[in-house]
Amino acid sequence: QKEVEQDPGPLSVPEGAIVSLNCTYSNSAFQYFMWYRQYSRKGPELLMYTYSSGNKEDGRFTAQVDKSSKYISLFIRDSQPSDSATYLCAIFNAGNMLTFGGGTRLMVKP
Amino acid sequence: GAGVSQSPSNKVTEKGKDVELRCDPISGHTALYWYRQSLGQGLEFLIYFQGNSAPDKSGLPSDRFSAERTGGSVSTLTIQRTQQEDSAVYLCASSLAGFVEKLFFGSGTQLSVL
Repeated sequence: QKEVEQDPGPLSVPEGAIVSLNCTYSNSAFQYFMWYRQYSRKGPELLMYTYSSGNKEDGRFTAQVDKSSKYISLFIRDSQPSDSATYLCAIFNAGNMLTFGGGTRLMVKP
Repeated sequence: GAGVSQSPSNKVTEKGKDVELRCDPISGHTALYWYRQSLGQGLEFLIYFQGNSAPDKSGLPSDRFSAERTGGSVSTLTIQRTQQEDSAVYLCASSLAGFVEKLFFGSGTQLSVL
């Protein structure tokens, strides 16, 4: 079992829809939870990070962490075509590296 | 520069040749990472540098892979005797010390081994 699991998609939604992206993880010791967005032929860029259970909002984006279920989510409200990208969850424990999910490809159609 | 810079952006090589990939981190970032991303796959950790400390090489897949970081800044990832399975995007990232949750990535080098 991979440490971080993510549905690869693709997930196709109409413009304006609410998008839900999810990851599950296996190691309950994980402390920090991040979401990265990666456009085609670009490196990932950090969207949000959090270290506690609950919700964290930033504009149209909400990150949600449920440590009891080892489940993290990213919600995108009023999705735009410019949100079309691959979304990677990443999780950090003590040590030197982030562990990434495989990414979910999102397509927002005008 | 303003961001992490990687060169070349694309590299095509023949099986058995050696290649060198370069990374210029953000100025002032003491932590530097190399990751590999295969088609449709997540990011695979390769190696980590922090300041003058010994690098964490635990992710290097074989002894054909090596990396160095000169002067605490620029890093070079070297792959010797390339194989077709080495074809991937090689991503470099940097961060301030102790802020691994805020990694900044370069655009990567697309390596194709024919």
